[in-house]
Amino acid sequence: DIQMTQSPSTLSASVGDRVTITCRASQSISSSLAWYQQKPGKPPNVLIYKASSLQSGVPSRFSGSGSGTEFTLTISSLQPDDFATFYCQQYNSYPLTFGQGTRLEIK
Amino acid sequence: EVQLVESGGGLVQPGGSLRLSCAASGFTFSSSWMYWVRQAPGQGLEWVANINRDGSVEHYVDSVKGRFTISRDNAKNSLDLQMNSLRAEDTAIYYCARGVDNSAYFDYWGQGTLVTVSS
Repeated sequence: DIQMTQSPSTLSASVGDRVTITCRASQSISSSLAWYQQKPGKPPNVLIYKASSLQSGVPSRFSGSGSGTEFTLTISSLQPDDFATFYCQQYNSYPLTFGQGTRLEIK
Repeated sequence: EVQLVESGGGLVQPGGSLRLSCAASGFTFSSSWMYWVRQAPGQGLEWVANINRDGSVEHYVDSVKGRFTISRDNAKNSLDLQMNSLRAEDTAIYYCARGVDNSAYFDYWGQGTLVTVSS
């Protein structure tokens, strides 16, 4: 199974900050990676797919990069609505696996 | 508007069974791979199972193989998850999700249904 490891687990930041979350795969997954944002009591919402493609309707302050085993999600200027938990997910092979999550909190 | 609405969750004793359903609308259901993803209370996301467009191919996470069965009815635009031999560790919110084209990531999710396995 491919293990997905996110860092950090928790991130404290302020409105306007630029933040980066990292996701590492235990083996190469090419560009088969998606990023999701989840707010409390809600289902996840896809932000990025194919490592760097922005999902329709998602603000351009979100961006993704990487390939192989190392990936990043960057938020260029944090907005109040962005504070949530973020997950990466590999879809290169079964079983489909998620990272453990990164909680982004207000400093 | 794409909508996925889960139902069937509840409290069940260990060893019991439950059948979850997901009613889909707003898109051509028969053209989409469909998925079940779960989230234990306060925990992360775990893919559970998926099924291809015509129901001929299924995949499961190892922890549910032999206990859970995914199925679909394209005439009724519905997705099911039959869960047998339930364990405490199956306690979670179960989400129905739509896959994107031939890629196994998810662009629409239901609101989820809570399954609690406890005596």
